[in-house]
Amino acid sequence: TQLLEQSPQFLSIQEGENLTVYCNSSSVFSSLQWYRQEPGEGPVLLVTVVTGGEVKKLKRLTFQFGDARKDSSLHITAAQPGDTGLYLCAGERGFQKLVFGTGTRLLVSP
Amino acid sequence: ETGVTQTPRHLVMGMTNKKSLKCEQHLGHNAMYWYKQSAKKPLELMFVYSLEERVENNSVPSRFSPECPNSSHLFLHLHTLQPEDSALYLCASSQPGTGKALHFGNGTRLTVT
Repeated sequence: TQLLEQSPQFLSIQEGENLTVYCNSSSVFSSLQWYRQEPGEGPVLLVTVVTGGEVKKLKRLTFQFGDARKDSSLHITAAQPGDTGLYLCAGERGFQKLVFGTGTRLLVSP
Repeated sequence: ETGVTQTPRHLVMGMTNKKSLKCEQHLGHNAMYWYKQSAKKPLELMFVYSLEERVENNSVPSRFSPECPNSSHLFLHLHTLQPEDSALYLCASSQPGTGKALHFGNGTRLTVT
């Protein structure tokens, strides 16, 4: 199995702080996706990165795909309580097969 | 309101029961998936259907039986489950192709007693 390790597993911060979540693997992926899941709901796609070295920004969120397409990071600037949730990375390997990471649970307190 | 609807939202069943989970998507997608989400484990892919044909069965025990009668509906039939099968079962759909997003339902929280 192609394991995607996310770090940290848990993160509890104050509103306004910055944070980075990492997603690492020894496998190469054709694309990598980030999802956020809130309690009682399914994961919702935030972004897809396809090209090695690609950087995408979504308001206060910055996503980067590693040059070798084995790892990715998510940086949040000035976190807000609405950012609270479970962040999941998912690497695409083969036809319609996504391998999900171990998850990072983020809590942003007011 | 998500384009993928799962019912029921919660299910409690005994080990000898038979029950079914239902998923319906209104997005016009051609692929549908079942995932299992357990505490402290990554999301596990169970089954993939593409154009109503099963293209992936990720070594899932036979007590889980999927059915995809058309591209909008997906079922997961459950029979003689074990307590360790208790989890959140998520359905998703997508269009085929590299980098296509999964659209998830809100899941069925299953408890096996």
